[in-house]
Amino acid sequence: EIVLTQSPGTLSLSPGERATLSCRASQSLSSTYLAWYQQKPGQAPRLLIYGASSRATGIPDRFSGSGSGTDFTLTISRLEPEDFAVYYCQQYDSSPETFGQGTKVEIK
Amino acid sequence: QVQLVQSGAEVKKPGSSVKVSCKASGDTFSSYSIGWVRLAPGEGLEYMGGIIPMLGTANYAQKFQGRVTITADRSTRTAYMELSSLRPEDTAVYFCGRSSGWIDYWGQGTLVTVSS
Repeated sequence: EIVLTQSPGTLSLSPGERATLSCRASQSLSSTYLAWYQQKPGQAPRLLIYGASSRATGIPDRFSGSGSGTDFTLTISRLEPEDFAVYYCQQYDSSPETFGQGTKVEIK
Repeated sequence: QVQLVQSGAEVKKPGSSVKVSCKASGDTFSSYSIGWVRLAPGEGLEYMGGIIPMLGTANYAQKFQGRVTITADRSTRTAYMELSSLRPEDTAVYFCGRSSGWIDYWGQGTLVTVSS
């Protein structure tokens, strides 16, 4: 199974700041088969990005994804109050799919 | 409109089994896979496995091999996830989702509590 390692574990930022989240795969993804999700307490995860850089329907353009191979990044250009949450990457290049352990974005 | 509606919360004893259902609307069953993901207290999202309803073929994460069985009933557009030999650390919210690899629609989640 492909292991995804996310960093940092926690990111303490203020509203309006830029957030940069990293996801590293234990082996190269043959295609950009990587997704990003946002999760808030008591809710189901919300798809943000698929195909490493394609925004899902209804996702604001302050969210962007990039990367290929083993290194991927989720960037939130200007944090809004509703963006403070836990973010997960997921690979679907190799079965079974796997998730990273998550990055918590908290208010500083 | 795509909807995934899961069965209600369960309380189980250690060593028993639980079966969670996920009823899908729309063309989910004819064109997509169904994945199962859990979120335990203090932990991250964990992919358990998935099924292609049109083919009936399932795949499972290594951690759950031998303990989880995922099935689908095309006539009722319902997927099932059964987890056996339950232990307290299986206490979690279990989600189903419509999968194209990425999961774009999710069920509301089912809380399974394992306690003696």
